[in-house]
Amino acid sequence: EAGVAQSPRYKIIEKRQSVAFWCNPISGHATLYWYQQILGQGPKLLIQFQNNGVVDDSQLPKDRFSAERLKGVDSTLKIQPAKLEDSAVYLCASRTHQGSKGNTIYFGEGSWLTVV
Amino acid sequence: AQSVAQPEDQVNVAEGNPLTVKCTYSVSGNPYLFWYVQYPNRGLQFLLKYITGDNLVKGSYGFEAEFNKSQTSFHLKKPSALVSDSALYFCAVRDKPPGGSQGNLIFGKGTKLSVKP
Repeated sequence: EAGVAQSPRYKIIEKRQSVAFWCNPISGHATLYWYQQILGQGPKLLIQFQNNGVVDDSQLPKDRFSAERLKGVDSTLKIQPAKLEDSAVYLCASRTHQGSKGNTIYFGEGSWLTVV
Repeated sequence: AQSVAQPEDQVNVAEGNPLTVKCTYSVSGNPYLFWYVQYPNRGLQFLLKYITGDNLVKGSYGFEAEFNKSQTSFHLKKPSALVSDSALYFCAVRDKPPGGSQGNLIFGKGTKLSVKP
């Protein structure tokens, strides 16, 4: 079974530029998450989708961050304009609602963003 | 609100010795608890979870965790540490938002495990 795919793995941009990250969840997983992990901290949720609908975006800085999952499969997270404090790892994760694995969230390898 | 605490920033263990990485939690109702491991420049890998049932949960790579309701703890353990176990370990609890929808994970700040030969 293929895991959660993310790209790009690494990105360096200047402040005020824009960047987009892509995620393809595990096949059949209805729920998709984007987390932000700042160095030295645990991941924090940015947004949660179920199929193509937003379940929770209460911690997404909506003045600069946006995310979509138009067809209920893959998702894009965008930052525009980027700030220095956005330097972090952006982790995509997914979860099925079925069977014994339904309580487990599986993560991708992450997209590492450096804003200079 | 749900939360987890990992009181140790770093744990140092000699190879072959047992290891324990501590986690305590605060939840309303029954907790769903998880351990993840993160190797350098990698994403999070699922190790094990406690949902219900036996208090001792066995997971990947020889790790296990003991759920203790009275002490609100979910410590990660391994009988014999390997150098390759050196990584960052995160404890997490499932959030339970109002309305009964499936929540996301609330993570601790992580504990760096260093296993020396």
